[in-house]
Amino acid sequence: EAAVTQSPRNKVTVTGGNVTLSCRQTNSHNYMYWYRQDTGHGLRLIHYSYGAGNLQIGDVPDGYKATRTTQEDFFLLLELASPSQTSLYFCASSDATGFYAEQFFGPGTRLTVL
Amino acid sequence: QQKVQQSPESLIVPEGGMASLNCTFSDRNSQYFWWYRQHSGEGPKALMSIFSNGDKKEGRFTAHLNKASLHVSLHIKDSQPSDSALYFCARASSSFSKLVFGQGTSLSVVP
Repeated sequence: EAAVTQSPRNKVTVTGGNVTLSCRQTNSHNYMYWYRQDTGHGLRLIHYSYGAGNLQIGDVPDGYKATRTTQEDFFLLLELASPSQTSLYFCASSDATGFYAEQFFGPGTRLTVL
Repeated sequence: QQKVQQSPESLIVPEGGMASLNCTFSDRNSQYFWWYRQHSGEGPKALMSIFSNGDKKEGRFTAHLNKASLHVSLHIKDSQPSDSALYFCARASSSFSKLVFGQGTSLSVVP
């Protein structure tokens, strides 16, 4: 089974702060995704990537940047954090050999912006 | 954006009972659906997928898809306390294997 790890698991910052969330997958999957999870909204796609150096915009990208430095590593950046970005963030990966491949999720990072 | 609506928001079933979760989608071109389960403190994990009209059974879990009525459901037979979790249906896109999730159903199985 695919292994996806995230760090940190919990993060507290202040409004206007700078935050980087990290994700690593060890199964050489091509595709990686960042989601946020909020009650009443399910999981919403922020950014995704199909390989090192590639970045695609998701459905709720405002206020977020992302960077895929290697096949394994995908980062989510909040450069001016706001309270509305308080959420549970998940990273996922997929090999997408079929168009409808399963996504494997990490354990999540809980971010609180005060 | 094509939406996915889940119902009910929460569901309580007795141990050994049947749990039924529902999902409606708005895009008649939707082809492929996933059910994911998320236990407290963990990330979501895929339960099963379905893309053909009709039923698909995997153990105690049966997914049903009706494209004409834009409806997909999940039925859990002989529910166990370990089935207590948040359940999401998701519409899959052929583009980058993206998923559009519903808002989730919280299932509690009580002894």
